[in-house]
Amino acid sequence: QVHLVQSGVEVKKPGASVKVSCKASGYTFTNYAFTWVRQAPGQGLEWMGWISAYKGDTKYAQKLQGRVSMTTDTSTTTAYMELRSLTSDDMAVYFCARVLDAIDIWGQGTMVIVSS
Amino acid sequence: QTVVTQEPSFSVSPGGTVTLTCGWSSGSVSTSHYPSWYQQTPGQAPRTLIYSTNIRSSGVPDRFSGSFLGSKAALTITGAQADDESTYYCVLYLGNAVWVFGGGTKLTVL
Repeated sequence: QVHLVQSGVEVKKPGASVKVSCKASGYTFTNYAFTWVRQAPGQGLEWMGWISAYKGDTKYAQKLQGRVSMTTDTSTTTAYMELRSLTSDDMAVYFCARVLDAIDIWGQGTMVIVSS
Repeated sequence: QTVVTQEPSFSVSPGGTVTLTCGWSSGSVSTSHYPSWYQQTPGQAPRTLIYSTNIRSSGVPDRFSGSFLGSKAALTITGAQADDESTYYCVLYLGNAVWVFGGGTKLTVL
C-alpha cells in the first residue's frame, strides 16, 4: 500500500528556515514526482512546487522562488521541502503529494508554526 | 496572473445532485489542463476524487463524476450524502510542471 508519512510539527522563529520530510513507501520511488502544497489557517490550498524523484528536476511557484528548495533522497525514498526566511505568512500546514498524471496520494501534513 | 475560479459555497439537499465548476481566468478549461478534484474536511489531508477530467481515483464512489460544463471543468455529486459535506478543490495543470489550485467550494448538505 502506498504511504507518504511526513515529519512532525515545527515551531520556528521569524527569519529561520524549516525543512519538512516526506517518507514514501509502497511503490517505486523514482517512477513518480512530488509536489508540495500548503494551507494557511482557514485558507485554501496553495501549490508550492514540483520535483522529479528520478532526475531531481524542480519547478517552484513564482512567489516562493529563491526561498524554497525541494530535494529527494532515493536511498531513503524521502522527499524534502526547505523554506527559508520564514515570516508569519508562512505559518501553514504543508503537504507532500505524489504526482504522475495527477496528484494522487497525499501525506498527512506538517504544521509549521512561525512565532517569535 | 492565472486564476482558477470556483464557487465559494454551495448547498445541496441529502439525496440531491450538485454540480461544482472550475473555470480559468485565461479562457476555457480543456483536457490539456488535466482538471482534477480533491475533497477536504477540516483538519484532514485532501483526498483525490477525480483526475484527468473524469477518471475516478481508487475507492471513490461512482456518485462522484467529472466532466466539462461549457468552458469549465465540473464535478457532479449524485445522491449527496451527509459526509459529502466538505470543501472541494479543483486543480489545473498549466504545463511545464506547474499546477494551480482553485479557491475551493465549501459544500453544505442540508
